[in-house]
Amino acid sequence: AQKVTQAQTEISVVEKEDVTLDCVYETRDTTYYLFWYKQPPSGELVFLIRRNSFDEQNEISGRYSWNFQKSTSSFNFTITASQVVDSAVYFCALSEDSGGSNYKLTFGKGTLLTVNP
Amino acid sequence: EPEVTQTPSHQVTQMGQEVILRCVPISNHLYFYWYRQILGQKVEFLVSFYNNEISEKSEIFDDQFSVERPDGSNFTLKIRSTKLEDSAMYFCASSGTLSGNTIYFGEGSWLTVV
Repeated sequence: AQKVTQAQTEISVVEKEDVTLDCVYETRDTTYYLFWYKQPPSGELVFLIRRNSFDEQNEISGRYSWNFQKSTSSFNFTITASQVVDSAVYFCALSEDSGGSNYKLTFGKGTLLTVNP
Repeated sequence: EPEVTQTPSHQVTQMGQEVILRCVPISNHLYFYWYRQILGQKVEFLVSFYNNEISEKSEIFDDQFSVERPDGSNFTLKIRSTKLEDSAMYFCASSGTLSGNTIYFGEGSWLTVV
């Protein structure tokens, strides 16, 4: 069974600090997909990134970067120079490629990030 | 940018009443989903739907729940007889074709059962 662990329940930083959100996953599949979603106070789930298990290259998008390491089953998310607007709950999620027509996501419990001015 | 839309954004209903939550997935997507998030908890998978039938459902998705795609655009979640513990945010989602395609979520429908 697949499992996603986000050990950090809450993180509080001051604006302009860098912050890393941890995500550790468990799966028996060799083909799987990892995601990060942002949930701002308004409640919607905003897609941030998708990574497949064969692509271990780190990715950078503006102030966001992701570090995927299969050896440690981790997919960590770093925000550089954090801003107040980054305050949200961040969810890491895993989808296994069952080969069928379903790609359900298993979510972690989320990390509440608060960026203070 | 195409998006998943959901209505209503918030609904209050009495215990035992039927509720229908509506969703319009992204137009060229083929896979549809409902997820649920109880306040302060993680997002949980309820059901996936493809080719006009349920492809997978979770333990949460019992006989009180049903899904339907009544026409070419809408995707609905019905709860026949709501219970207090059904109070949650319900997210509709959709994805494109196959392998690991990104799943896009709607803004959610907040259901309060009193």
